[in-house]
Amino acid sequence: EDQVTQSPEALRLQEGESSSLNCSYTVSGLRGLFWYRQDPGKGPEFLFTLYSAGEEKEKERLKATLTKKESFLHITAPKPEDSATYLCAVQAALSNAGKSTFGDGTTLTVKP
Amino acid sequence: EAQVTQNPRYLITVTGKKLTVTCSQNMNHEYMSWYRQDPGLGLRQIYYSMNVEVTDKGDVPEGYKVSRKEKRNFPLILESPSPNQTSLYFCASSFVLGHEQYFGPGTRLTVT
Repeated sequence: EDQVTQSPEALRLQEGESSSLNCSYTVSGLRGLFWYRQDPGKGPEFLFTLYSAGEEKEKERLKATLTKKESFLHITAPKPEDSATYLCAVQAALSNAGKSTFGDGTTLTVKP
Repeated sequence: EAQVTQNPRYLITVTGKKLTVTCSQNMNHEYMSWYRQDPGLGLRQIYYSMNVEVTDKGDVPEGYKVSRKEKRNFPLILESPSPNQTSLYFCASSFVLGHEQYFGPGTRLTVT
């Protein structure tokens, strides 16, 4: 069974204080690992897709990296508008192809 | 504007009264999926569809039905809703399997 575990559950940072969010996964052949941002009461919004170990993607203050067992979302010099819940998800390439498994998310709060 | 739409956005109903939540996308996406989101349980996949007339169960399909007669529409049917189906529901679509998903705005369902 595919599994995604995110840590920490919640993270409070001061504006400008860089940190990382972790996503550990087990999957029967990785088709893709996805990062989404979710604001309260809204649908998740796509951030990054990573397909193979060693891959990195960057956008503004966010950078996502991937190894064979985990992914990190690095946040550099965050601003209050980065406050949200960040979700990690995987899709399998072998058994259960078509299924998407999400982690429970990390809720980030950035204080000015 | 490229989007996923869901209707209704809010629904309060009673146990046993059949209901349908509609989902439509205007991006010509092959893959569509339904999720429910509950506090402490994260996003869980109910059903997904890789193409017209092709649907499959996700992690929590009990009590739900879906159909995919046209590419753009993927309705979620609750034939006999129960209070444990009270939740926030999201529809999502992607170009094909393995690509990022675009989420609708959500449907908040309360079953009394």
